[in-house]
Formats: sequence, C-alpha cells, structure tokens
Amino acid sequence: QKEVEQNSGPLSVPEGAIASLNCTYSDRGSQSFFWYRQYSGKSPELIMFIYSNGDKEDGRFTAQLNKASQYVSLLIRDSQPSDSATYLCAVNFINNNDMRFGAGTRLTVKP
Amino acid sequence: DAMVIQNPRYQVTQFGKPVTLSCSQTLNHNVMYWYQQKSSQAPKLLFHYYDKDFNNEADTPDNFQSRRPNTSFCFLDIRSPGLGDAAMYLCATSPDSLNQPQHFGDGTRLSIL
Repeated sequence: QKEVEQNSGPLSVPEGAIASLNCTYSDRGSQSFFWYRQYSGKSPELIMFIYSNGDKEDGRFTAQLNKASQYVSLLIRDSQPSDSATYLCAVNFINNNDMRFGAGTRLTVKP
Repeated sequence: DAMVIQNPRYQVTQFGKPVTLSCSQTLNHNVMYWYQQKSSQAPKLLFHYYDKDFNNEADTPDNFQSRRPNTSFCFLDIRSPGLGDAAMYLCATSPDSLNQPQHFGDGTRLSIL
C-alpha cells in the first residue's frame, strides 16, 4: 500500500458542482492532515488542515477525516474554473517523524 | 509581507558540478524543510531542521547536504548533480512542529546539462 494514496485523476466537474477529492494513508498513528493546492509550475499552497475526526468547513471547502478508516477527503462546493489545479494530500507520519505527500489529484472545472 | 523566499527561481548546472540552492524566511519559524518534486509526483521530503537540529530522511542520497547557519536561512547543497536530480526543489517552514501547516517558497527549478 502506498503511504499516502490519491486518485491521480483527472477529475472533471462542471462549474458550480461539488468536487470530491479523496485520500487514504497507511500510518494509523497519524494525527495531522493537510490539503494543499498546486497550480502547474507553482509551489503548494495550504487550503485546509484537520486534526480531529469529523468535518471542518472553511468557505467553499470542507475537509472530512475518518481516522478509523484512515481516510481524509476534501469537498469543494460551487466549483470555479479557478479551482482547476492539482490537490495534494499531506499526512504527518508519527512513526517516521516526517511529512508524506500524495501524488495529487488533478481537478479540472469546466465553465 | 512575511514570506519564504527561494533563490534562484531557475538554476542550470552541469553534470557533476556542485550547486547550492538558498531559502530565507521572515516568518521566524523554527522548522525548515527541503522537498524534491519531480513532474507529476509527490513532493518528497529530503530533510528538515528543527531549529539547529538536523533530521535527514533515511532515503535521501548522500549527494544532498544542507546547512542552516541561522533561523532565517537554509541551504541545499548538491555535491555532484546527476541527470536524475533535475527537479523542482521546494523550501517550506512551519512554526514549531511537523503537526502544523507548512508555508512554501516559490521553489527553484533545477536543470542539469
């Protein structure tokens, strides 16, 4: 099993729809989970972070965490063409004391 | 604005010729990170500093070294670059631990001739 696994996509949604991005991770002891957005040729920028089971909402973005299932997701409501980017899931691996990234899901929002 | 600054944005070097990439931060964060990211791949953590405490990832090649002379600056030295080292190198910071969100610089894209 990959340490942090994401569907590579591309995921294509129409403008105004909900985009759902998923991530699974292998370290059961992980406590910190992050979603970054990365435009082509640019560096990652933080979208959301979540530490506790359940949902966390910030504007159009909702992060969902289920530690028992080792699963974290990001929902983007009212998707805009400017949301088109690669979304990276990152997990703090307690056992290794480091940060592991998934390879990212490429999202395209079509006008 | 407080930020993470990487220089240069683009670096071209010759096969086997040492190269140094630099990172500075005005956030006064204790933790600084270096990542390597190849096209369509995940950023891969090379090492991180907690203050002056250096933490090397187990699979980081010996060819890669780092220095942190003070809180604000961190350098990545590649002693003998190979073609496989061509990548985007990302510097990031976080306030006190790996449990916190990281702030990334714009990256340095390294090409090897």
